[in-house]
Amino acid sequence: GQQVMQIPQYQHVQEGEDFTTYCNSSTTLSNIQWYKQRPGGHPVFLIQLVKSGEVKKQKRLTFQFGEAKKNSSLHITATQTTDVGTYFCAGSFVMRFGAGTRLTVKP
Amino acid sequence: ETGVTQSPTHLIKTRGQQVTLRCSSQSGHNTVSWYQQALGQGPQFIFQYYREEENGRGNFPPRFSGLQFPNYSSELNVNALELDDSALYLCASSTGTGYDYEQYFGPGTRLTVT
Repeated sequence: GQQVMQIPQYQHVQEGEDFTTYCNSSTTLSNIQWYKQRPGGHPVFLIQLVKSGEVKKQKRLTFQFGEAKKNSSLHITATQTTDVGTYFCAGSFVMRFGAGTRLTVKP
Repeated sequence: ETGVTQSPTHLIKTRGQQVTLRCSSQSGHNTVSWYQQALGQGPQFIFQYYREEENGRGNFPPRFSGLQFPNYSSELNVNALELDDSALYLCASSTGTGYDYEQYFGPGTRLTVT
């Protein structure tokens, strides 16, 4: 079946360092969504990517969809303590979430 | 915060019992999806409802069933509870079917099966 894999599973950074998480699918996706879940909270929608090679930015966050629509990445520039949480990608056609990348930030 | 609400917040049940979890969609949303999230894992898709009909189902056994009501609120029922059913159950509402729409998650119901 369709698998969505995320790496790394955990990432610990010093505040101000950059962070990147990668999402890979075993099959071509029609779109990919990214969510953030704070500790003890619920997933919150960040963005959806639809087009091959698409790049979208939200302040310090940059999202990219691969040319083959089978992989995606989320890059955070100059992390802050408010970035702490688990970042999930979710790929169609059945909404499959990856296991997430848990980001911790040391002040 | 989203306008999606879930009840109860926490629940403790015994193996073999049945449980009903409830979800109220955000205003204007006609689609509800349910997810199971085990500790340290990503949400696993259970099923989706649109206009009171099941519109897709993940790899969960038939003892997981659901309902959607005319006001778009929804229930998740789990029969013959097993220890592995212990998890956070999330519902998410959206404005369309399929998986091309932003999903608004509720706070979840933490189910513990003993």
